[in-house]
Amino acid sequence: KAGVTQTPRYLIKTRGQQVTLSCSPISGHRSVSWYQQTPGQGLQFLFEYFSETQRNKGNFPGRFSGRQFSNSRSEMNVSTLELGDSALYLCASSLVPGQGNYEQYFGPGTRLTVT
Amino acid sequence: GESVGLHLPTLSVQEGDNSIINCAYSNSASDYFIWYKQESGKGPQFIIDIRSNMDKRQGQRVTVLLNKTVKHLSLQIAATQPGDSAVYFCAEVDTGKLIFGQGTTLQVKP
Repeated sequence: KAGVTQTPRYLIKTRGQQVTLSCSPISGHRSVSWYQQTPGQGLQFLFEYFSETQRNKGNFPGRFSGRQFSNSRSEMNVSTLELGDSALYLCASSLVPGQGNYEQYFGPGTRLTVT
Repeated sequence: GESVGLHLPTLSVQEGDNSIINCAYSNSASDYFIWYKQESGKGPQFIIDIRSNMDKRQGQRVTVLLNKTVKHLSLQIAATQPGDSAVYFCAEVDTGKLIFGQGTTLQVKP
C-alpha cells in the first residue's frame, strides 16, 4: 500500500507570494492533518480535515488555509508569504479522526523556503 | 497553553546499550500519549502509544512508561542499534489535536 505522498518536495518562494501544497493520503484514509515543523517551534498543528470539512484548527493566522476533496486528497495554501513561513510542512493521514486511535501516518513533507 | 516538553535535546548512547528518552507534560487531563521517531528527510513515524489508564506498554524493543503523578512519560529502547538514530518526539492528544514536544536527538555510537 502506498504511503502518504506530498508534492512538491521542495519549493522556493518570494515574500508576498502564495503557495499551494498537496497531500494524497493512504488509500482508504479519510482524515488528513497538516503540521508545520521548524527548528524553533517544533511540530505545530495547522488543521485537520475529514469528509471535506475542517474539524480542527491550530493557532495560525488566516493566511494559512486548507481544503479536502471528495477523494480525501488535501491541499493547503499560504498567502502573502513571510520569511517566517519557511518550514517543513507535513501531512498526516488516518482512517478516521479521533475514535481514540491517533495512529497517523506522515508523509515526507514539503520543504518551503521563503526568500 | 498546555505544552509537552522533553528533558534533553540530545542523547548519545553506545550501540547495544539501552536508551531512555524522557518527556514531561503539563496537561493533567491528557489521556493519550504517543511517541514518534523522525529520521532525517522523513516524516515522523508512529512508534508506540499509551493511554492514561495504563502505566506501561511494551512493543518490539520499546517500552513506554507513564507516571501520571508527576506527569512524566518515557520511552525505553532496548539494545539500541545504529538504525535507532533519529529525533524522538512525544505527543499528547488535546481536544483532538496532537501537541508535540520539541524532540530529543538520539545518537548511537558504534
